[in-house]
Amino acid sequence: QQQVRQSSQSLTVWEGETAILNCSYENSAFDYFPWYQQFPGEGPALLIAIRSVSDKKEDGRFTIFFNKREKNLSLHIKDSQPGDSATYFCAASPSNYNVLYFGSGTKLTVEP
Amino acid sequence: GGIITQTPKFLIGQEGQKLTLKCQQNFNHDTMYWYRQDSGKGLRLIYYSITENDLQKGDLSEGYDASREKKSSFSLTVTSAQKNEMAVFLCASSNPDSGNTLYFGEGSRLIVV
Repeated sequence: QQQVRQSSQSLTVWEGETAILNCSYENSAFDYFPWYQQFPGEGPALLIAIRSVSDKKEDGRFTIFFNKREKNLSLHIKDSQPGDSATYFCAASPSNYNVLYFGSGTKLTVEP
Repeated sequence: GGIITQTPKFLIGQEGQKLTLKCQQNFNHDTMYWYRQDSGKGLRLIYYSITENDLQKGDLSEGYDASREKKSSFSLTVTSAQKNEMAVFLCASSNPDSGNTLYFGEGSRLIVV
């Protein structure tokens, strides 16, 4: 059973639009929610993360919206650029626990 | 900064063969991981290690062995390679000091012929 779910396997937006990537989870003990970005031929790299005490985290064009009651979160990429084309993984872990559980990833394509 | 080095980048073997992937990190991180990446299935944890000589099983450990010979290195062995486990294997490391952020290598692709 997948503990972290990403509803879309792929998403295409036009340059300048806001891309919205969705994620949900099962385990109420999950406390830490990072998003990782992966370009072809590279390993994933941390993009932005949020803890369950917050409902929003912003870093430049990237914002996480978190809903603890509904057990879901979303990553918004404002003013999308072709260079944002990558696969985005939602992940989660309980507090003070070494292991991250990853979703299946959403491949984002930003068309110029 | 540091780096995670995975070798080889491509590992080609025959069905039933025992094959080993190696990973080195110079972050001086305590914890190291092996994840398997299959298209459409995301990253699934095979093994992790919180210190030298420690081993913890992940959800996908069956058919694999791992070894943490020293703090900087973590190897993964496919005990009997099968065609249905051709995938990319990703090594990562982390530390509480870095907020438990995982730093990944570029991956090793397993090809079974």
